[in-house]
Amino acid sequence: EDQVTQSPEALRLQEGESSSLNCSYTVSGLRGLFWYRQDPGKGPEFLFTLYSAGEEKEKERLKATLTKKESFLHITAPKPEDSATYLCAVQARNSNYQLIWGAGTKLIIKP
Amino acid sequence: ETGVTQTPRHLVMGMTNKKSLKCEQHLGHNAMYWYKQSAKKPLELMFVYNFKEQTENNSVPSRFSPECPNSSHLFLHLHTLQPEDSALYLCASSQEGHSRYGYTFGSGTRLTVV
Repeated sequence: EDQVTQSPEALRLQEGESSSLNCSYTVSGLRGLFWYRQDPGKGPEFLFTLYSAGEEKEKERLKATLTKKESFLHITAPKPEDSATYLCAVQARNSNYQLIWGAGTKLIIKP
Repeated sequence: ETGVTQTPRHLVMGMTNKKSLKCEQHLGHNAMYWYKQSAKKPLELMFVYNFKEQTENNSVPSRFSPECPNSSHLFLHLHTLQPEDSALYLCASSQEGHSRYGYTFGSGTRLTVV
């Protein structure tokens, strides 16, 4: 069964304290893995797409990496404005529209 | 403004009411989606429309009825809902499935069924 598990469920960091969020997945042939950011009261905002093991993408203080079993979202020297829920999703190769989503990691950055 | 507009932002309805959620996008996307988001649960895909044609219906109860009159507008008609249907309902659009550019989501309608 295709599934996505994100950990931890919540993470509290001090401003400037780097860390990583984990997204473990099982899927019958990976078409793509996606990271989104969701702020309270808003819909998710697209961050990255990763297609194959070894691929990396960066955006400001965020860097996403991919292996055959998991993806990490590394946050370097975070700021309070990085506080949000980060969602991971995968798409199977035989699916055009269906994404399998994780439940998210709520990240809180304290000043 | 994300490019996908959902109205209303909040809705409280009784179990015997009929209401509709509206979604509008002017991004030139040809696929539109309804998702349900419940607290601490993964997003659940409800319906997909591609070029106004419904392509997926993920075993959603018939008390939810989608309508896509054109590629820019999407509705979700609600009737005789249950309290467990209370959730955030999100609309999204994309250019033909989930590409490297991802979905564009609206801000959602927070639905409370009483």
